[in-house]
Amino acid sequence: NAGVTQTPKFQVLKTGQSMTLQCAQDMNHEYMSWYRQDPGMGLRLIHYSVGAGITDQGEVPNGYNVSRSTTEDFPLRLLSAAPSQTSVYFCASSSTSGGAGELFFGEGSRLTVL
Amino acid sequence: AQSVTQLGSHVSVSEGALVLLRCNYSSSVPPYLFWYVQYPNQGLQLLLKYTTGATLVKGINGFEAEFKKSETSFHLTKPSAHMSDAAEYFCAVSRTGANSKLTFGKGITLSVRP
Repeated sequence: NAGVTQTPKFQVLKTGQSMTLQCAQDMNHEYMSWYRQDPGMGLRLIHYSVGAGITDQGEVPNGYNVSRSTTEDFPLRLLSAAPSQTSVYFCASSSTSGGAGELFFGEGSRLTVL
Repeated sequence: AQSVTQLGSHVSVSEGALVLLRCNYSSSVPPYLFWYVQYPNQGLQLLLKYTTGATLVKGINGFEAEFKKSETSFHLTKPSAHMSDAAEYFCAVSRTGANSKLTFGKGITLSVRP
């Protein structure tokens, strides 16, 4: 079972470069989200989507862009990478956006910005 | 607003000893409460959750947690630690309503000594 698939698993960027982290899920979940994980800070919500064509900002959206053209895919774009964006990024999906649903996570994408 | 406090960043126990990981939450409305576990180099997976009903919740791998409204707590326990329990544990809170977002604590790393 694929679940939530993230690519790439590792990426090194130079300051100012742009890139897209890909996320795909095969569970027909309406809700998808992106988190970043930094040591001692837990997971912080970047952007989320409650369905195709609908996105919204989370706690730390600056410097990131998202779109949701299909139910399956939810890419995260870094517009101009900065060293502060060095982090591990997780995509997660859920069958419900109502607060009680289980989040299913990908394995993460480790990004280093030099 | 909602928040989660996980005191301390690291807990170490001997194999076979009781595991107790503390979580306190703040929420202006009745909360949904979760514990997630993250094994090294993996995404998070759900251990257990409380939504409504019985306040003692049992999860996977022998873990359980008790919702105590008067103490605003949701501590995670396991009677006997196993080496395979070594991981990072995150408490999280959300609330009822559409588009409710999940807020994570900073996480606690559990080490198990032989």
